[in-house]
Amino acid sequence: NAGVTQTPKFRILKIGQSMTLQCTQDMNHNYMYWYRQDPGMGLKLIYYSVGAGITDKGEVPNGYNVSRSTTEDFPLRLELAAPSQTSVYFCASSTGQANNSPLHFGNGTRLTVT
Amino acid sequence: QQQVKQSPQSLIVQKGGISIINCAYENTAFDYFPWYQQFPGKGPALLIAIRPDVSEKKEGRFTISFNKSAKQFSLHIMDSQPGDSATYFCAARSIGSARQLTFGSGTQLTVLP
Repeated sequence: NAGVTQTPKFRILKIGQSMTLQCTQDMNHNYMYWYRQDPGMGLKLIYYSVGAGITDKGEVPNGYNVSRSTTEDFPLRLELAAPSQTSVYFCASSTGQANNSPLHFGNGTRLTVT
Repeated sequence: QQQVKQSPQSLIVQKGGISIINCAYENTAFDYFPWYQQFPGKGPALLIAIRPDVSEKKEGRFTISFNKSAKQFSLHIMDSQPGDSATYFCAARSIGSARQLTFGSGTQLTVLP
């Protein structure tokens, strides 16, 4: 059982380049999330989805886009990379069926923009 | 902006000691308070959680204490072990949201052997 899988693990981008961070889960979870983690700042929600075809902005959505065409996949797109997007990105999923449904996180993608 | 404030930022404890991490929140519409544990190179994983209708929850060496009137909750790790060395995040979930969590800033715990 793979859980939440993120690719790539590491990536270096030049300013202005674009890329897609991939996230897939095999637990048939309806809810999926993208967070970014910066030192001393905790985890900030970028975008989330409550099901295929439905996405919404989180706390820090600027500079990012998402899509949810299937239950399993929730890619995060960076169109014009900026140094401020240097961070560790985590994808997570949950059943969302109860208030206490836990988030299951992937192992993250470490992105550096130079 | 809803906030969850966490302290301390880092904590060093001797093996066998008690580790205490504190969090405070501002939004009374939070109804679920989990703690997540993160090891280097890994994503966070749920450690223990509490609902505001109870004042304490214990699972093994880990205990959450919850003070609803003060809007504070804390994680106590009894008999701390080197394997507990990790970053700990408190979080709070808003009523009626799409299961969104607001996370604290994290505490890096080091347990010395």
